[in-house]
Amino acid sequence: DTEVTQTPKHLVMGMTNKKSLKCEQHMGHRAMYWYKQKAKKPPELMFVYSYEKLSINESVPSRFSPECPNSSLLNLHLHALQPEDSALYLCASSQDAGANYGYTFGSGTRLTVV
Amino acid sequence: QQQVKQSPQSLIVQKGGISIINCAYENTAFDYFPWYQQFPGKGPALLIAIRPDVSEKKEGRFTISFNKSAKQFSLHIMDSQPGDSATYFCAARSPNFNKFYFGSGTKLNVKP
Repeated sequence: DTEVTQTPKHLVMGMTNKKSLKCEQHMGHRAMYWYKQKAKKPPELMFVYSYEKLSINESVPSRFSPECPNSSLLNLHLHALQPEDSALYLCASSQDAGANYGYTFGSGTRLTVV
Repeated sequence: QQQVKQSPQSLIVQKGGISIINCAYENTAFDYFPWYQQFPGKGPALLIAIRPDVSEKKEGRFTISFNKSAKQFSLHIMDSQPGDSATYFCAARSPNFNKFYFGSGTKLNVKP
């Protein structure tokens, strides 16, 4: 298995809703990432988990809450989002956050906040 | 401050032609330089990557040229095909911060 699987593919949520994005990989990668991508822009790093511990938080608002239940799973919990948070949310993994390997990205969750 | 500058923003190439996308960086500590290809509605896919001790790397029709002294690297797509039409991002890894810095992206359109 050489994929990063993200669910759901599309999500529409109201500003008062609570929802979660899920990411799964079975490549034995020990680093997992959340990125946010706006249209026609490069991905922006949000969080890095290395060996299931949060190692980087790029000053992301607290309405985004990451969780890494085990080495294969990564969640992003969403609460009280704003319309400007609408974007493509990408999960990625790599063998090790501390080494120079490329990422394997999932196909993303297209999030619309109404 | 943009750590990696990418050009051009968009590129139109005829089928069979050569597509060239350029990136420049300032931080000499960067130690890994991948290129990603992204189709609409999909996540970026790692295309090819190079380390700074190598001046060129070729994989099929894709070649990275790396000029360490000029702090520039480029992606060359030989015999470009309509199926190559996508957005391409260069990136550079900072070992100090364990993160990648992405270029702004180049939208490539290969005309049949």
